[in-house]
Amino acid sequence: GENVEQHPSTLSVQEGDSAVIKCTYSDSASNYFPWYKQELGKRPQLIIDIRSNVGEKKDQRIAVTLNKTAKHFSLHITETQPEDSAVYFCAASLSSARQLTFGSGTQLTVLP
Amino acid sequence: DAGITQSPRHKVTETGTPVTLRCHQTENHRYMYWYRQDPGHGLRLIHYSYGVKDTDKGEVSDGYSVSRSKTEDFLLTLESATSSQTSVYFCAIRIGTGEETQYFGPGTRLLVL
Repeated sequence: GENVEQHPSTLSVQEGDSAVIKCTYSDSASNYFPWYKQELGKRPQLIIDIRSNVGEKKDQRIAVTLNKTAKHFSLHITETQPEDSAVYFCAASLSSARQLTFGSGTQLTVLP
Repeated sequence: DAGITQSPRHKVTETGTPVTLRCHQTENHRYMYWYRQDPGHGLRLIHYSYGVKDTDKGEVSDGYSVSRSKTEDFLLTLESATSSQTSVYFCAIRIGTGEETQYFGPGTRLLVL
């Protein structure tokens, strides 16, 4: 089955700086890669996703890049703000599969 | 919130007792999932359902059973709760037949003493 590894497990940045979280996946057939944000005590919420026919996708201050050859994808957050502090999860899936496989999460702390 | 609710939201129980958690959706989506979330492990799939009476095991299914007798309800049962099943349990739904995106319910915090 699919295996997703996520790094780093914790990340602290100064407000206004950029943050990058990286994930690698094992199944080269995977073609859907969502990112979730989970605030303390809340449910995970989808913030952005990318499919394998696209190399990069942006939504305001967040972007995701995908390198299919290397089997890794990354979340980029620019101009970080305190409200970006949360746990971020990456995931991977085959479009024909019924399951998402999640990374273990990154605790992002934005320091004021 | 994709019309997903979970009940109860919090539960404390004793080792050896059966526990049932309920996930309810209002939009007739076909796929429903149960995950558990533990520190350092992210979200791990317990069981999922792809239709009424159609279920399959996930990564960490031992000690859990599920049932789906109606489209809108997906039940997770801990047949004999153990302390290792203390966790936060999330239900999720998958929107559409060709869409892989999953949306999560609010979660249930379970403490097994």
